[in-house]
Amino acid sequence: RKEVEQDPGPFNVPEGATVAFNCTYSNSASQSFFWYRQDCRKEPKLLMSVYSSGNEDGRFTAQLNRASQYISLLIRDSKLSDSATYLCVVMDNTNAGKSTFGDGTTLTVKP
Amino acid sequence: NAGVTQTPKFQVLKTGQSMTLQCAQDMNHEYMSWYRQDPGMGLRLIHYSVGAGITDQGEVPNGYNVSRSTTEDFPLRLLSAAPSQTSVYFCASSYVGGGGTEAFFGQGTRLTVV
Repeated sequence: RKEVEQDPGPFNVPEGATVAFNCTYSNSASQSFFWYRQDCRKEPKLLMSVYSSGNEDGRFTAQLNRASQYISLLIRDSKLSDSATYLCVVMDNTNAGKSTFGDGTTLTVKP
Repeated sequence: NAGVTQTPKFQVLKTGQSMTLQCAQDMNHEYMSWYRQDPGMGLRLIHYSVGAGITDQGEVPNGYNVSRSTTEDFPLRLLSAAPSQTSVYFCASSYVGGGGTEAFFGQGTRLTVV
Protein backbone atom coordinates (compact mmCIF):
# COMPACT_ATOMS: atom_id res chain seq x y z
CA ARG A 1 0.00 0.00 0.00
CA LYS A 2 1.27 3.46 -0.87
CA GLU A 3 2.02 5.80 1.98
CA VAL A 4 -0.15 8.52 0.43
CA GLU A 5 -3.09 7.61 -1.77
CA GLN A 6 -5.27 9.94 -3.79
CA ASP A 7 -8.35 9.59 -5.95
CA PRO A 8 -6.91 8.51 -9.31
CA GLY A 9 -9.19 10.73 -11.36
CA PRO A 10 -9.23 12.27 -13.85
CA PHE A 11 -12.00 14.66 -12.94
CA ASN A 12 -13.71 16.43 -15.83
CA VAL A 13 -16.15 19.08 -14.64
CA PRO A 14 -17.99 22.06 -16.15
CA GLU A 15 -17.17 25.60 -15.13
CA GLY A 16 -18.90 26.53 -11.91
CA ALA A 17 -18.98 22.99 -10.55
CA THR A 18 -17.88 21.99 -7.08
CA VAL A 19 -15.31 19.22 -6.96
CA ALA A 20 -13.71 17.38 -4.04
CA PHE A 21 -10.46 15.45 -3.90
CA ASN A 22 -9.63 12.92 -1.23
CA CYS A 23 -6.34 11.70 0.13
CA THR A 24 -5.43 9.13 2.76
CA TYR A 25 -2.09 8.59 4.44
CA SER A 26 -0.73 5.62 6.34
CA ASN A 27 2.04 7.12 8.49
CA SER A 28 0.43 8.22 11.73
CA ALA A 29 3.62 10.16 12.57
CA SER A 30 2.83 12.58 9.74
CA GLN A 31 2.46 16.01 11.18
CA SER A 32 2.13 18.51 8.37
CA PHE A 33 -0.13 18.36 5.37
CA PHE A 34 -0.29 20.29 2.13
CA TRP A 35 -2.00 20.49 -1.22
CA TYR A 36 0.22 21.37 -4.14
CA ARG A 37 -0.83 22.28 -7.65
CA GLN A 38 1.15 21.16 -10.68
CA ASP A 39 0.49 22.53 -14.12
CA CYS A 40 1.44 20.48 -17.15
CA ARG A 41 5.21 20.13 -17.47
CA LYS A 42 5.82 22.57 -14.61
CA GLU A 43 7.11 22.29 -11.07
CA PRO A 44 4.68 21.75 -8.16
CA LYS A 45 3.68 24.86 -6.25
CA LEU A 46 2.05 25.14 -2.86
CA LEU A 47 -1.71 25.64 -3.06
CA MET A 48 -2.43 25.56 0.65
CA SER A 49 -1.42 24.04 3.93
CA VAL A 50 -3.98 21.89 5.72
CA TYR A 51 -4.70 22.55 9.38
CA SER A 52 -6.49 20.39 11.89
CA SER A 53 -9.28 22.91 12.25
CA GLY A 54 -9.78 23.07 8.49
CA ASN A 55 -8.95 26.12 6.48
CA GLU A 56 -10.30 28.09 3.57
CA ASP A 57 -8.67 30.24 0.94
CA GLY A 58 -11.20 31.82 -1.36
CA ARG A 59 -12.86 29.03 -3.35
CA PHE A 60 -10.62 26.37 -1.83
CA THR A 61 -11.30 24.52 1.44
CA ALA A 62 -8.99 21.95 2.98
CA GLN A 63 -9.93 19.54 5.73
CA LEU A 64 -7.88 17.17 7.86
CA ASN A 65 -9.15 14.22 9.88
CA ARG A 66 -6.26 12.86 11.91
CA ALA A 67 -8.26 10.00 13.39
CA SER A 68 -9.11 8.67 9.93
CA GLN A 69 -5.81 9.86 8.42
CA TYR A 70 -7.71 11.60 5.69
CA ILE A 71 -7.27 14.92 3.90
CA SER A 72 -9.62 16.60 1.47
CA LEU A 73 -9.64 19.56 -0.88
CA LEU A 74 -12.88 21.18 -2.03
CA ILE A 75 -12.95 23.58 -4.96
CA ARG A 76 -16.09 25.62 -5.40
CA ASP A 77 -17.19 27.50 -8.51
CA SER A 78 -14.51 25.86 -10.67
CA LYS A 79 -12.70 28.04 -13.19
CA LEU A 80 -10.98 27.01 -16.40
CA SER A 81 -7.72 28.10 -14.75
CA ASP A 82 -8.19 25.47 -12.03
CA SER A 83 -7.32 22.77 -14.57
CA ALA A 84 -4.17 21.14 -13.20
CA THR A 85 -2.95 18.15 -11.20
CA TYR A 86 -3.43 18.40 -7.45
CA LEU A 87 -0.89 16.66 -5.25
CA CYS A 88 -1.50 15.65 -1.66
CA VAL A 89 1.65 15.91 0.48
CA VAL A 90 2.33 14.70 4.00
CA MET A 91 5.41 15.64 5.97
CA ASP A 92 6.93 13.75 8.88
CA ASN A 93 8.48 16.48 11.00
CA THR A 94 10.12 13.87 13.23
CA ASN A 95 12.01 12.46 10.25
CA ALA A 96 13.95 15.46 9.04
CA GLY A 97 10.86 16.91 7.46
CA LYS A 98 10.60 14.28 4.76
CA SER A 99 7.68 14.86 2.45
CA THR A 100 5.75 12.10 0.72
CA PHE A 101 3.68 12.93 -2.34
CA GLY A 102 0.55 11.27 -3.64
CA ASP A 103 0.38 10.46 -7.34
CA GLY A 104 -1.92 13.39 -7.95
CA THR A 105 -5.44 13.89 -9.21
CA THR A 106 -5.92 15.60 -12.54
CA LEU A 107 -8.73 18.12 -12.89
CA THR A 108 -9.98 19.44 -16.20
CA VAL A 109 -12.54 22.22 -16.07
CA LYS A 110 -14.46 22.63 -19.31
CA PRO A 111 -16.47 25.60 -20.59
CA ASN B 1 14.27 36.29 -6.49
CA ALA B 2 16.09 33.23 -7.81
CA GLY B 3 14.66 30.67 -5.33
CA VAL B 4 15.70 27.19 -6.49
CA THR B 5 17.69 26.98 -9.70
CA GLN B 6 18.21 23.75 -11.56
CA THR B 7 20.45 23.15 -14.54
CA PRO B 8 20.25 21.90 -17.20
CA LYS B 9 16.57 22.09 -18.14
CA PHE B 10 16.91 19.35 -20.75
CA GLN B 11 19.48 16.60 -21.22
CA VAL B 12 19.88 13.56 -23.44
CA LEU B 13 22.36 10.91 -22.34
CA LYS B 14 23.54 7.68 -23.82
CA THR B 15 23.31 4.55 -21.72
CA GLY B 16 26.35 4.30 -19.48
CA GLN B 17 27.20 7.98 -19.48
CA SER B 18 27.45 9.89 -16.22
CA MET B 19 26.36 13.41 -15.47
CA THR B 20 25.56 15.81 -12.67
CA LEU B 21 22.31 17.71 -12.28
CA GLN B 22 22.90 20.99 -10.51
CA CYS B 23 20.64 22.52 -7.87
CA ALA B 24 21.20 25.76 -5.98
CA GLN B 25 18.99 27.74 -3.61
CA ASP B 26 19.45 31.21 -2.21
CA MET B 27 16.94 31.06 0.66
CA ASN B 28 19.34 29.63 3.26
CA HIS B 29 17.15 26.54 3.62
CA GLU B 30 18.59 23.64 5.58
CA TYR B 31 16.55 20.93 3.87
CA MET B 32 17.09 20.03 0.22
CA SER B 33 15.86 17.07 -1.73
CA TRP B 34 15.77 15.47 -5.14
CA TYR B 35 12.69 13.84 -6.63
CA ARG B 36 11.95 12.09 -9.87
CA GLN B 37 8.55 12.17 -11.53
CA ASP B 38 7.56 9.61 -14.09
CA PRO B 39 4.54 10.11 -16.39
CA GLY B 40 1.23 10.00 -14.53
CA MET B 41 2.90 9.56 -11.20
CA GLY B 42 3.70 11.63 -8.18
CA LEU B 43 7.14 12.60 -7.00
CA ARG B 44 9.42 9.95 -5.56
CA LEU B 45 12.20 10.96 -3.20
CA ILE B 46 15.71 10.04 -4.38
CA HIS B 47 18.00 11.63 -1.78
CA TYR B 48 17.70 14.40 0.75
CA SER B 49 19.87 16.52 3.01
CA VAL B 50 19.12 18.26 6.29
CA GLY B 51 22.21 20.45 6.15
CA ALA B 52 25.73 20.80 4.82
CA GLY B 53 27.66 17.55 5.15
CA ILE B 54 24.54 15.45 5.84
CA THR B 55 22.75 13.37 3.24
CA ASP B 56 20.45 10.38 3.33
CA GLN B 57 18.64 8.06 0.96
CA GLY B 58 15.05 8.40 -0.03
CA GLU B 59 12.69 5.94 -1.64
CA VAL B 60 14.57 5.36 -4.92
CA PRO B 61 18.30 6.06 -4.37
CA ASN B 62 19.88 3.38 -6.55
CA GLY B 63 21.97 4.74 -9.38
CA TYR B 64 22.28 8.21 -7.87
CA ASN B 65 24.76 9.95 -5.60
CA VAL B 66 24.52 13.29 -3.82
CA SER B 67 26.73 15.54 -1.75
CA ARG B 68 26.07 18.69 0.25
CA SER B 69 29.28 20.64 0.73
CA THR B 70 27.48 23.97 1.16
CA THR B 71 24.02 25.05 2.31
CA GLU B 72 23.27 26.43 -1.14
CA ASP B 73 24.17 23.53 -3.45
CA PHE B 74 22.90 19.98 -3.73
CA PRO B 75 24.06 18.27 -6.92
CA LEU B 76 22.68 14.92 -8.06
CA ARG B 77 25.02 12.55 -9.89
CA LEU B 78 23.94 9.81 -12.22
CA LEU B 79 26.73 7.28 -12.09
CA SER B 80 25.97 5.20 -15.20
CA ALA B 81 22.79 6.30 -16.93
CA ALA B 82 20.16 3.72 -17.79
CA PRO B 83 16.93 4.09 -19.82
CA SER B 84 14.97 3.51 -16.60
CA GLN B 85 16.33 6.83 -15.36
CA THR B 86 14.49 8.71 -18.09
CA SER B 87 12.31 11.04 -16.05
CA VAL B 88 11.76 14.59 -14.90
CA TYR B 89 13.92 15.50 -11.94
CA PHE B 90 12.95 18.15 -9.41
CA CYS B 91 15.09 19.67 -6.72
CA ALA B 92 13.34 21.24 -3.73
CA SER B 93 14.33 23.14 -0.63
CA SER B 94 12.54 24.08 2.56
CA TYR B 95 13.12 25.50 5.99
CA VAL B 96 12.78 22.79 8.61
CA GLY B 97 11.00 24.43 11.47
CA GLY B 98 8.22 23.50 13.83
CA GLY B 99 5.01 22.74 12.01
CA GLY B 100 6.50 22.04 8.64
CA THR B 101 6.90 24.56 5.89
CA GLU B 102 6.43 24.95 2.19
CA ALA B 103 8.85 23.24 -0.21
CA PHE B 104 10.08 25.35 -3.10
CA PHE B 105 10.85 23.53 -6.32
CA GLY B 106 13.19 24.18 -9.19
CA GLN B 107 11.78 24.15 -12.71
CA GLY B 108 12.87 20.59 -13.32
CA THR B 109 15.34 18.77 -15.54
CA ARG B 110 13.91 16.60 -18.29
CA LEU B 111 16.33 13.74 -18.77
CA THR B 112 16.19 11.20 -21.57
CA VAL B 113 18.52 8.22 -21.59
CA VAL B 114 18.81 6.46 -24.94
